[in-house]
Amino acid sequence: SQQGEEDPQALSIQEGENATMNCSYKTSINNLQWYRQNSGRGLVHLILIRSNEREKHSGRLRVTLDTSKKSSSLLITASRAADTASYFCASLPSSASKIIFGSGTRLSIRP
Amino acid sequence: NAGVTQTPKFQVLKTGQSMTLQCAQDMNHEYMSWYRQDPGMGLRLIHYSVGAGITDQGEVPNGYNVSRSTTEDFPLRLLSAAPSQTSVYFCATLKGNPTSTDTQYFGPGTRLTVL
Repeated sequence: SQQGEEDPQALSIQEGENATMNCSYKTSINNLQWYRQNSGRGLVHLILIRSNEREKHSGRLRVTLDTSKKSSSLLITASRAADTASYFCASLPSSASKIIFGSGTRLSIRP
Repeated sequence: NAGVTQTPKFQVLKTGQSMTLQCAQDMNHEYMSWYRQDPGMGLRLIHYSVGAGITDQGEVPNGYNVSRSTTEDFPLRLLSAAPSQTSVYFCATLKGNPTSTDTQYFGPGTRLTVL
């Protein structure tokens, strides 16, 4: 089974609204990353948060990490049509060099 | 820089055939990995390498072999293709080691169909 599970599996919101996606993982981690994948394309790295960090910002993106709950969330503020994509979390377990992906959230932005 | 290149872009195989998916990078990155992505699913790690001469298994290594004789290349071999290996395969690289804050770069993918 995968290290990370994401919730919700699919999310549809109105343009301009905020989108929140959640990721849970199973083992202690060194860091956690978020990626975006447009339909049929490769993945693009969005943001990385280390295990000793609780929150990071990058433009309209805000990532939080709660190591006690083994969870992370990605918030996209003021969504745009171009944000329509699948979003994945990927974690690096503390005990290994493997980067393991979650199952992803499909985000659709309605005009 | 070409970044991460994968060949071929598309491939159709018959059950039992073998083939090699190529991955090359010109960024002198130490860490390379192979993932497969089934329709509507996340990526699952097949094999990874922390440097030339070193490879290790990921989540779903069965049916696949890898080697890392140079820093630039990380080929993935399907030994005897099965319909369950129909998927999109992504190669990824990272400059140093995953504990750093380096970004992982992905290739465009190879879409493989096994009949």
